[in-house]
Amino acid sequence: EAQVTQNPRYLITVTGKKLTVTCSQNMNHEYMSWYRQDPGLGLRQIYYSMNVEVTDKGDVPEGYKVSRKEKRNFPLILESPSPNQTSLYFCASSSTVAGEQFFGPGTRLTVL
Amino acid sequence: ILNVEQSPQSLHVQEGDSTNFTCSFPSSNFYALHWYRWETAKSPEALFVMTLNGDEKKKGRISATLNTKEGYSYLYIKGSQPEDSATYLCASLSGSARQLTFGSGTQLTVLP
Repeated sequence: EAQVTQNPRYLITVTGKKLTVTCSQNMNHEYMSWYRQDPGLGLRQIYYSMNVEVTDKGDVPEGYKVSRKEKRNFPLILESPSPNQTSLYFCASSSTVAGEQFFGPGTRLTVL
Repeated sequence: ILNVEQSPQSLHVQEGDSTNFTCSFPSSNFYALHWYRWETAKSPEALFVMTLNGDEKKKGRISATLNTKEGYSYLYIKGSQPEDSATYLCASLSGSARQLTFGSGTQLTVLP
């Protein structure tokens, strides 16, 4: 089954404790991205990747890192999480930058 | 950052009513316009990807039109059903950008 998976689905953590949210897709998609969703603000892009080893900042990259060592994986790293990073996070992939995005199930992160 | 706006922010309709919402986006350097349907507790799912001025796309009772010269797209739902209740997101991609910019969505509630 073609899908995008994310782990964990839910996470409660404390300020400053490094964490990684994994994202994997099995559709051989070139383009992957991370979004955060906050009430009233819609989906905002954090980082995106056009291909392996090619990543770039989206609209809200501060406090986040990503890597794209393999085509299928695009982890999101929070080196020192803060409460303002409490949000719902989605990973997405598509065959091209203009193609329809396939979204993962979402990760709800709470930073205390 | 592109400014993608959707209206109305929310609406309630009766089962059987037809309805429509608007997405406006910058018309300069336009490349693609996406529509997504996002049900509560699920992930956004693509409805349409539109690229040409005058494009009309249809999927069952849902259809969309695109005017790239004036920078707007309409989403229509004919004969709304309770299962159509969701948030409908549009996203715009400009030719120079490598990222989709999402609007904040229209939340539709169809009352039985």
